[in-house]
This record gives sequence, C-alpha cells and structure tokens, in this order.
Amino acid sequence: GAVVSQHPSRVICKSGTSVKIECRSLDFQATTMFWYRQFPKQSLMLMATSNEGSKATYEQGVEKDKFLINHASLTLSTLTVTSAHPEDSSFYICSASRGLEPGYEQYFGPGTRLTVT
Amino acid sequence: EDQVTQSPEALRLQEGESSSLNCSYTVSGLRGLFWYRQDPGKGPEFLFTLYSAGEEKEKERLKATLTKKESFLHITAPKPEDSATYLCAVQARAGNNRKLIWGLGTSLAVNP
Repeated sequence: GAVVSQHPSRVICKSGTSVKIECRSLDFQATTMFWYRQFPKQSLMLMATSNEGSKATYEQGVEKDKFLINHASLTLSTLTVTSAHPEDSSFYICSASRGLEPGYEQYFGPGTRLTVT
Repeated sequence: EDQVTQSPEALRLQEGESSSLNCSYTVSGLRGLFWYRQDPGKGPEFLFTLYSAGEEKEKERLKATLTKKESFLHITAPKPEDSATYLCAVQARAGNNRKLIWGLGTSLAVNP
C-alpha cells in the first residue's frame, strides 16, 4: 500500500510556456500533499503544502503565482509551473500523507524531471 | 531552530562490511523521525518511522534506532543493491504543521 504516482515523469518545454504535473495517491486517501524540488546532489526543498479543498501553504521564497497548486480531491494534486524559464528546470517530487496519528509518514511519487529550453 | 545533521556525507563499503549511518537532530518536541532511501532520479522510498527514544525497527538488512538526540541506521552485511542515498527527517510536535525537516543525506556505495 501507499503508492503515489506522478505524471509526466519527464517533460521538456519552451521558455514562457506552462507545464502541469499531476500527483495521485493510488491506494489511499491523502489529506495532505506536499510538493518538493530537488537540485542535483542536494536534499529535498519543500515548496508548498496543500490540504484537500484548501489553498496551499507556500514556503518562504516560493512564488505562489508562478507555482500554482490545486488539491481538488483526496487522491489528486496538481502543480502548474506558469511561464516557465530555464531556472525552473529541476526535479519536482510530490508526496502524500494519510494524516493518521501518531506520525504523518509521507509517501513519495517517482518525480518529474522538468527541462525548460 | 529545528535541525537535522547526517553523517557521514558519503560512505563506501565492501559487500558484507556492516556499518552505521548517523542522524543527529534538534527539534522542539519530536513527533516522529523518518528514514528514507533515494535512488538516483527517483523519489524517496519510505523505510521507517521512529517515535520515541529506545525504539528500534528492522527491515531486512536495515535496523533503525532512536535516542533523544540521534538516530542510527545500521546496515548489516550490505549488498551492492543497498547502494543509495539515505535521508533522515524529523517532524516537530508543535502546531499542526506536518512539514518534515530534512538532513542532507548519506550517499552509500557498496562495492561487490
């Protein structure tokens, strides 16, 4: 159990276009989903936390108008990178949490490699 | 400030050579400490959650332990397929924030 999928796994887009990444929890309901980005040989950097039906909470320094997050259901969250630029190229990873006590394990998707040309 | 420090940064072992990875943490009330494994180009894979000092969990060749200040991930008789980056993260008890505070990871290479 606790399988999370992401789509697409890899995307190349032109500068100025928008890209949508989907994150789905396949076998459980996720009360909370998280979006991370990861640069080569670095740890995970949390971008935002989203709860189903609520607005996402963005980390300091993350532009909410650029990285749009929608958590429409208990199994689906989307991240849209708007007007992408080469510096947005990165590895984006989502995670999902059941939100059950005592701990809130996060289960991760396989990641999406975004390249902006 | 809540913080997680992992050591060593990188570790190279021979197949069968047991060792331990360290995760030191400071947090204002620990809700849980998490260990993940990450292979290159993939998302982290959940391994263990530890909640209180003295707790231990095992999975195949891996055993995680927890004290009030640190956690160890013991790898017994590792195999080449255990090569990966091992990440440690903590979650604070304060508030309703489910955010994880991450260490930078230990990159493990096991030579055949």
